[in-house]
Amino acid sequence: KAGVTQTPRYLIKTRGQQVTLSCSPISGHRSVSWYQQTPGQGLQFLFEYFSETQRNKGNFPGRFSGRQFSNSRSEMNVSTLELGDSALYLCASSLADQSSEKLFFGSGTQLSVL
Amino acid sequence: GESVGLHLPTLSVQEGDNSIINCAYSNSASDYFIWYKQESGKGPQFIIDIRSNMDKRQGQRVTVLLNKTVKHLSLQIAATQPGDSAVYFCAENANQGGKLIFGQGTELSVKP
Repeated sequence: KAGVTQTPRYLIKTRGQQVTLSCSPISGHRSVSWYQQTPGQGLQFLFEYFSETQRNKGNFPGRFSGRQFSNSRSEMNVSTLELGDSALYLCASSLADQSSEKLFFGSGTQLSVL
Repeated sequence: GESVGLHLPTLSVQEGDNSIINCAYSNSASDYFIWYKQESGKGPQFIIDIRSNMDKRQGQRVTVLLNKTVKHLSLQIAATQPGDSAVYFCAENANQGGKLIFGQGTELSVKP
């Protein structure tokens, strides 16, 4: 079974631009979560989608948004990029039949904002 | 950071020795805990998990211990190998569907 796939692997943008990251979950997994990883803040939860609905949200500004499609694939968007948005963005999927489910992570998208 | 934290940022061990990585959590409502391993350039990889109704769980060369009284979690790696060198994260799920709260991570370095 294929793992979680994230595209693109690397991305370079400039301040003020917007970016869209894509995530394909493991087949059969209905929940997709997004995390931001930086050396200073570690892994921070962005949001979680289940059956095309945002079920949980972290403490990030409205510039960070996401969505999930009927095939469980997910995208996240960051608008008006700031230098501080440079990070590794990780997507994780799970079966999510109950709250206590282990997450399977992709390799991430490394975003650099110049 | 949030409620999960690690006691040591770095740990260096000799190949063949046992490694113990510690983690403290503060949310009594957490009922599920996970250890992840992250190698350079990769996403976190699941190692082992444990539910709050258990004190100990063993996997292949790894053991997780949970002490709910003092809110402490540990990961023990037996016969540590160079391939175990990575950053290890503990995480808890405070019953907030899909949200894991991660510790800051411990970098394990295995000396040959």
